Amino acid sequence: DAGVIQSPRHEVTEMGQEVTLRCKPISGHNSLFWYRQTMMRGLELLIYFNNNVPIDDSGMPEDRFSAKMPNASFSTLKIQPSEPRDSAVYFCASSPTTGLGYEQYFGPGTRLTVT
Amino acid sequence: KNEVEQSPQNLTAQEGEFITINCSYSVGISALHWLQQHPGGGIVSLFMLSSGKKKHGRLIATINIQEKHSSLHITASHPRDSAVYICAVKDTGRRALTFGSGTRLQVQP
Repeated sequence: DAGVIQSPRHEVTEMGQEVTLRCKPISGHNSLFWYRQTMMRGLELLIYFNNNVPIDDSGMPEDRFSAKMPNASFSTLKIQPSEPRDSAVYFCASSPTTGLGYEQYFGPGTRLTVT
Repeated sequence: KNEVEQSPQNLTAQEGEFITINCSYSVGISALHWLQQHPGGGIVSLFMLSSGKKKHGRLIATINIQEKHSSLHITASHPRDSAVYICAVKDTGRRALTFGSGTRLQVQP
């Protein structure tokens, strides 16, 4: 298996632009997680899905952020409009079992820079 | 006070040394994760614990639920173990993971 796939690996955009990050989880996994990592705040869980259904989005920083999982093999994290403080590395992870109490497999991350 | 505290923040060791990284938390948990982040940025899940002890190769993770404490041990450390080790807990009262700030380990040859 190719593991969790994220695209793009790097994204540079200007403030105010829409940004879409993409994730393909490991086939057969039932849970998908979006994380953000910054120097100031470390790793933060933004949102997670069980069986394509959003379970908890309390980590999403504000309404500018939205996430979808239209099917078991694809998820997006969208930021509209983007701001410089959104600059971070965004990780996607998947787990074979629903919930947060099980091993997760991380993608390589997308490094987002908003100028 | 952070819900998850890791110590030490930075650790330098000589190759072959036995290493211990600590994680203390202040909330009731149902699971604790240890993650390893390589210098290139990639993250690997090392262990998920809810009780007792787990071992994988040279890595051992323990958890004491009563004391709200977990340790990650590395035996016979090697320069390739150099990474940031992150502890994360699943709070029983919330559907979320709370992360420690990480321990940066450097193993010198």
